[in-house]
Amino acid sequence: DAMVIQNPRYQVTQFGKPVTLSCSQTLNHNVMYWYQQKSSQAPKLLFHYYDKDFNNEADTPDNFQSRRPNTSFCFLDIRSPGLGDAAMYLCATPSEGGGASILRGYTFGSGTRLTVV
Amino acid sequence: DQQVKQNSPSLSVQEGRISILNCDYTNSMFDYFLWYKKYPAEGPTFLISISSIKDKNEDGRFTVFLNKSAKHLSLHIVPSQPGDSAVYFCAASATGNTPLVFGKGTRLSVIA
Repeated sequence: DAMVIQNPRYQVTQFGKPVTLSCSQTLNHNVMYWYQQKSSQAPKLLFHYYDKDFNNEADTPDNFQSRRPNTSFCFLDIRSPGLGDAAMYLCATPSEGGGASILRGYTFGSGTRLTVV
Repeated sequence: DQQVKQNSPSLSVQEGRISILNCDYTNSMFDYFLWYKKYPAEGPTFLISISSIKDKNEDGRFTVFLNKSAKHLSLHIVPSQPGDSAVYFCAASATGNTPLVFGKGTRLSVIA
């Protein structure tokens, strides 16, 4: 089974100060996802990667960027965090290969809880 | 516009009784449906899934039912246990390669 590790678990940043969240996965899967979850809301997809092919959701703000330097690691950069960016950020990878194996779901990391002060 | 809807924000059930969590969807292209469980300060954990070629899938105490014509699925937990207290998310995908779309979740409280 894939393991997904997110660091840090909790991050406090100042309004407007750039912040980077990190994610690593142990299976070297070619697909990775970043979701944002605000309180009492659905996890919302920000980006996903198929290998190095980066897919930005249409409504993801420009303030959010992502980097994937290699298969195992993925970063979420928030260039100028606002109060509205406070949320849980979740990284995920498929638990198995593509196609109908989606029925085995994604493996999520424990998330990073971002607070903006 | 929400494609996956969980209209009950919360549900309380007594220990030993059945918990039924509901989910509706609007996108008729969805073919894969999953349920996730989430404890506070943790990431969601995969629970059970179903594809559109089936109408029921069972795994221990957990059963998922799918009604494609009504665009509705439900998760049954029987018997409910206090450890089942968590937020349950319904998720759907059109193909195996399109990202999962999630509902807002239902908070289940199982009372001893």
